[in-house]
Amino acid sequence: DSGVTQTPKHLITATGQRVTLRCSPRSGDLSVYWYQQSLDQGLQFLIQYYNGEERAKGNILERFSAQQFPDLHSELNLSSLELGDSALYFCASSVGQVFYGYTFGSGTRLTVV
Amino acid sequence: DQQVKQNSPSLSVQEGRISILNCDYTNSMFDYFLWYKKYPAEGPTFLISISSIKDKNEDGRFTVFLNKSAKHLSLHIVPSQPGDSAVYFCAASALRGSARQLTFGSGTQLTVLP
Repeated sequence: DSGVTQTPKHLITATGQRVTLRCSPRSGDLSVYWYQQSLDQGLQFLIQYYNGEERAKGNILERFSAQQFPDLHSELNLSSLELGDSALYFCASSVGQVFYGYTFGSGTRLTVV
Repeated sequence: DQQVKQNSPSLSVQEGRISILNCDYTNSMFDYFLWYKKYPAEGPTFLISISSIKDKNEDGRFTVFLNKSAKHLSLHIVPSQPGDSAVYFCAASALRGSARQLTFGSGTQLTVLP
């Protein structure tokens, strides 16, 4: 157990729907990062939050949004889902903005049918 | 634009031999490099890292080498064990504004044959 908790582990939904992925960071970690891993692809950075504030954006689609709550858990919202959004979504956390490695959760596998 | 490239999607090695995983990068602003290991159904786990001011870092059976002039790094595993079979991701870090981000390669599937 890495200390980073992601729910749900698996999600199957239809095109056009909206889903919310949840992440609880490791205790004491203030930064949360979201990554997407599609088939045969590396980990694509989506977005970072630090202590409730958005800090950096990567290749995140406009249909996707995220937020970090006062208790530091984060949610990634995916809307108007398309088949191509099927992927593994990982959350990672680190103690601050300067880091020497993230701690990853075990991911949420999203399947859009 | 892939800033971090792992050109070998897969590698098979005999148990007890050396595994060498390679990674190339293009962004000269990267100043910290990491390797992650990922087993199926699990998230990536940190393995070893190296700062750009060094050219080698060793941790047990794992050694990472950095060649800044060639923008190349490699991970050596000696001796390789069947439990090392996993996907290995190379990652590079750069400071962007006030935030530090990791850019990952596409991964190399290592299979260690008994």
